[in-house]
Amino acid sequence: NAGVTQTPKFQVLKTGQSMTLQCAQDMNHNSMYWYRQDPGMGLRLIYYSASEGTTDKGEVPNGYNVSRLNKREFSLRLESAAPSQTSVYFCASSEAMGFKETQYFGPGTRLLVL
Amino acid sequence: AQRVTQPEKLLSVFKGAPVELKCNYSYSGSPELFWYVQYSRQRLQLLLRHISRESIKGFTADLNKGETSFHLKKPFAQEEDSAMYYCALSQGGKLIFGQGTELSVKP
Repeated sequence: NAGVTQTPKFQVLKTGQSMTLQCAQDMNHNSMYWYRQDPGMGLRLIYYSASEGTTDKGEVPNGYNVSRLNKREFSLRLESAAPSQTSVYFCASSEAMGFKETQYFGPGTRLLVL
Repeated sequence: AQRVTQPEKLLSVFKGAPVELKCNYSYSGSPELFWYVQYSRQRLQLLLRHISRESIKGFTADLNKGETSFHLKKPFAQEEDSAMYYCALSQGGKLIFGQGTELSVKP
């Protein structure tokens, strides 16, 4: 099993450009998440999907949209990239959304917005 | 507001020395706390969680509700323990992460 996979691994954008970060999991998990990781700030939740067909905002959703395409896939879209969105983006999944659930992370996408 | 604080950005110790990575939290209710670790060029992964009360790779963490802490400890650090460590609090399944502590174990 590949676990959680993310594409691309690295991307450079110009301000105003759009792009979609892809995430897929093969663990038959119900819940999926998108985080961004910035130096000195840890990981912050952007959006999450508790189950197929539902999505909700996390701590820092502004400037992003998500799509839970099916049970396996959860994409993150930047409609008009800004330099403040330069970050490392992690996708994660868990069996369900509960206090005690372990989240499994992808390898990350490093995004640079010029 | 719920928050997780890791006061040390970098902790540097020598091999064989004891290690304690600090984590303090603020949460109204019974917290579920986790430690995640990110080794160089690897993905973030669960190290241990409060509910399991287990020891992983020699690490333990005890929840102290009075001091609102969940410090990670290991009696004898190894070079392979060098990594980025994140303490996290589960808020209904949504994780709130601390800022992270980079542990460097020198030979």
